[in-house]
Amino acid sequence: DQQVKQNSPSLSVQEGRISILNCDYTNSMFDYFLWYKKYPAEGPTFLISISSIKDKNEDGRFTVFLNKSAKHLSLHIVPSQPGDSAVYFCAARSGAGSYQLTFGKGTKLSVIP
Amino acid sequence: DSGVTQTPKHLITATGQRVTLRCSPRSGDLSVYWYQQSLDQGLQFLIQYYNGEERAKGNILERFSAQQFPDLHSELNLSSLELGDSALYFCASSTRQGRGTEAFFGQGTRLTVV
Repeated sequence: DQQVKQNSPSLSVQEGRISILNCDYTNSMFDYFLWYKKYPAEGPTFLISISSIKDKNEDGRFTVFLNKSAKHLSLHIVPSQPGDSAVYFCAARSGAGSYQLTFGKGTKLSVIP
Repeated sequence: DSGVTQTPKHLITATGQRVTLRCSPRSGDLSVYWYQQSLDQGLQFLIQYYNGEERAKGNILERFSAQQFPDLHSELNLSSLELGDSALYFCASSTRQGRGTEAFFGQGTRLTVV
């Protein structure tokens, strides 16, 4: 039972355009959502997060949107740069006490120069 | 550099063997998490330790065990290894309070069971 789903295994975007990565979840107990970026041969790197009490969080070129009613979140990267090419993981945390994260399978973003 | 150190980076071993993976968390972080990433899979949570005590358990096999030592480093022990245990094993650490929800990951240990 996959509680966090990233339905697009890959995405190709032209440099300078917007990249939109999507994530759906099923567990209503998730209260915090995170995006991680992963380059080959490296560990995941924290990118941006959002609490379930918010619907948007912005950090430079990265914006995360949360639609609780649809149990959907998205990561927008504007403008996309070749260095953004990586695998992006959506993750969610359920409740206080434990900080374990439930991850999606990832979306491989390729930004074409 | 996340500040989380994992050793070794690569490990090749035979079926039936036992291995130990080591993790040193970021300075000051009390929580350590272990995750497994198999081929084409997302990261699967295995186990969490906080200040030496087990705090949460995920889909960790009985053949696997972990511990966190007084100096806060952690070890993941994998025994009776099977081919299917071949995966990337990541350790992550975080602070307990404040905005420490985001975990910082090490570079991982790639385990190959042959």
